[in-house]
Amino acid sequence: QKEVEQNSGPLSVPEGAIASLNCTYSDRGSQSFFWYRQYSGKSPELIMFIYSNGDKEDGRFTAQLNKASQYVSLLIRDSQPSDSATYLCAVRGGYSTLTFGKGTMLLVSP
Amino acid sequence: DVKVTQSSRYLVKRTGEKVFLECVQDMDHENMFWYRQDPGLGLRLIYFSYDVKMKEKGDIPEGYSVSREKKERFSLILESASTNQTSMYLCASSWDGASGSGDTQYFGPGTRLTVL
Repeated sequence: QKEVEQNSGPLSVPEGAIASLNCTYSDRGSQSFFWYRQYSGKSPELIMFIYSNGDKEDGRFTAQLNKASQYVSLLIRDSQPSDSATYLCAVRGGYSTLTFGKGTMLLVSP
Repeated sequence: DVKVTQSSRYLVKRTGEKVFLECVQDMDHENMFWYRQDPGLGLRLIYFSYDVKMKEKGDIPEGYSVSREKKERFSLILESASTNQTSMYLCASSWDGASGSGDTQYFGPGTRLTVL
């Protein structure tokens, strides 16, 4: 069974700092990776996806993928208190299913 | 914008009742999914459907069944609700994309089910 591992946190960073969230996965053949954000009591919403090794940037967010190390990360620059949420890493499987990690809670203090 | 709606935000049922949770998407997505989310256990896939009348078991299908009679609607059925099925239930949908944003799953607001 595919496994996706994340540190549960909480990861605490001050406002304006860079938050680094990490994820490892077990299936070496995985091709597609997703980061979702989930606020307390809300449903997950997509931040970004990445398919190719290297970095992908979208505004303050950068996803990094290293397939050789089976490692995906999400960097949040200039962290804001509104970024405080749980961040879920997900890996695509067959039939477009996703296997989710348990999530990392991020706390950004003013 | 993609919109996924779920029939109830909060639901309270008794042990042994038959429970229906409904999900509707308005983006003509082929794929639909049902998850439950529990503290410490994360999101776990119950069932999914990749086409009308097609269904596949996910990681934790025991105690659940599903129905997809129309493309836009995917129902989760608890045949005889039990207290260990108290959870947040999330529906999601996606296009049938092999790559690109087609893999992205869009989630409904969730139904918090309590079984007494």
